[in-house]
Amino acid sequence: GDSVTQMEGPVTLSEEAFLTINCTYTATGYPSLFWYVQYPGEGLQLLLKATKADDKGSNKGFEATYRKETTSFHLEKGSVQVSDSAVYFCALSAGGSYIPTFGRGTSLIVHP
Amino acid sequence: DAGITQSPRHKVTETGTPVTLRCHQTENHRYMYWYRQDPGHGLRLIHYSYGVKDTDKGEVSDGYSVSRSKTEDFLLTLESATSSQTSVYFCAISETPQGNTEAFFGQGTRLTVV
Repeated sequence: GDSVTQMEGPVTLSEEAFLTINCTYTATGYPSLFWYVQYPGEGLQLLLKATKADDKGSNKGFEATYRKETTSFHLEKGSVQVSDSAVYFCALSAGGSYIPTFGRGTSLIVHP
Repeated sequence: DAGITQSPRHKVTETGTPVTLRCHQTENHRYMYWYRQDPGHGLRLIHYSYGVKDTDKGEVSDGYSVSRSKTEDFLLTLESATSSQTSVYFCAISETPQGNTEAFFGQGTRLTVV
């Protein structure tokens, strides 16, 4: 079945550091890929998405590129802020199944 | 923001009692989901619905049942609550089965079974 694997956290960075959170997936067909963010005490919200190979999703300084050859969708940000501290979930939605599949989440802690 | 409301937001209940959580949407989305979130496990699907009266089990459905009598409401019932069901429960909705559809989440319900 479909699955998503994320790097384990927590990831701890200083403000203005570069961020990478790795995500790889297994899916039949051609899934769409997503990154969701969960701030403390809140539900998940969509951060960015990409619907086909080589697409780049971007939002709020975060970027991720859909790499079909490596089945990856790594999340990056050039300069993190304290306000980026949250849990980040990689997810996929395959055309043959309407059930979103989520990774386990990666906690990001950014120190001033 | 998508119109999804979960109720209650917090609940403490005793072992062995039935509990019902409600998810209400105003988006008229066809698909609705219940997830639980636990440390070390991320999000796990409990049950989902693909239309009124059409539901199916997810990966952790034991001890839970659901009902959907109207498009806008999806109820999750813990038939006899146990301490292992202490968790944060999230409802989500999505519009179509197409691959580029994102999911929208409610704020969550924190359930404690004592």
